[in-house]
Amino acid sequence: AQKITQTQPGMFVQEKEAVTLDCTYDTSDPSYGLFWYKQPSSGEMIFLIYQGSYDQQNATEGRYSLNFQKARKSANLVISASQLGDSAMYFCAMREDYSGGYQKVTFGTGTKLQVIP
Amino acid sequence: ETGVTQTPRHLVMGMTNKKSLKCEQHLGHNAMYWYKQSAKKPLELMFVYNFKEQTENNSVPSRFSPECPNSSHLFLHLHTLQPEDSALYLCASSLRGDTGGSGNTIYFGEGSWLTVV
Repeated sequence: AQKITQTQPGMFVQEKEAVTLDCTYDTSDPSYGLFWYKQPSSGEMIFLIYQGSYDQQNATEGRYSLNFQKARKSANLVISASQLGDSAMYFCAMREDYSGGYQKVTFGTGTKLQVIP
Repeated sequence: ETGVTQTPRHLVMGMTNKKSLKCEQHLGHNAMYWYKQSAKKPLELMFVYNFKEQTENNSVPSRFSPECPNSSHLFLHLHTLQPEDSALYLCASSLRGDTGGSGNTIYFGEGSWLTVV
């Protein structure tokens, strides 16, 4: 079974509009962390935002916010006021904190976001 | 300037060549990772080093040989590769490799695009 599921292979959004990228996860570990990364065509994987499983509030970083619904096991990324530079691949990832001695992070297959002028 | 730098950014090599990928992190981290990213596949963890000790070899063929001389440098030695090894190889680092928490985010380099001909 997939641990991280991103069901949207591609998304379009109008410049200055908000967009939500979906991510669901599967774990039986009570302690885990969820990440979102942005990967432009150049290849670099850029860290955007982190949410811990015990965090009471949804994480926010500038225009990025993470809509964390623990019971539904979802961690959607919301980008407000989209900009042309937001066009990239976006990856959701999960770290399970007990993994036998090392920090194991599982990535989803990604969502390609294209911002339209 | 990224905190994790990888060289070379692009590499084309024949199947009988021997080459190396280099990674250096300037973040004061103690854990370093190699990931492989192939087209249309999720990111795959290859190797983990925590405080210079290899803690994970994720069933990677022996034609890939990692080396971690200190906590700031990581190499991936390549020998007798196959065309299917063509991919983006991403180096990453984190504060440490064996715990979770919000302060232990994994930061990536820009990647090395490898083509095996």
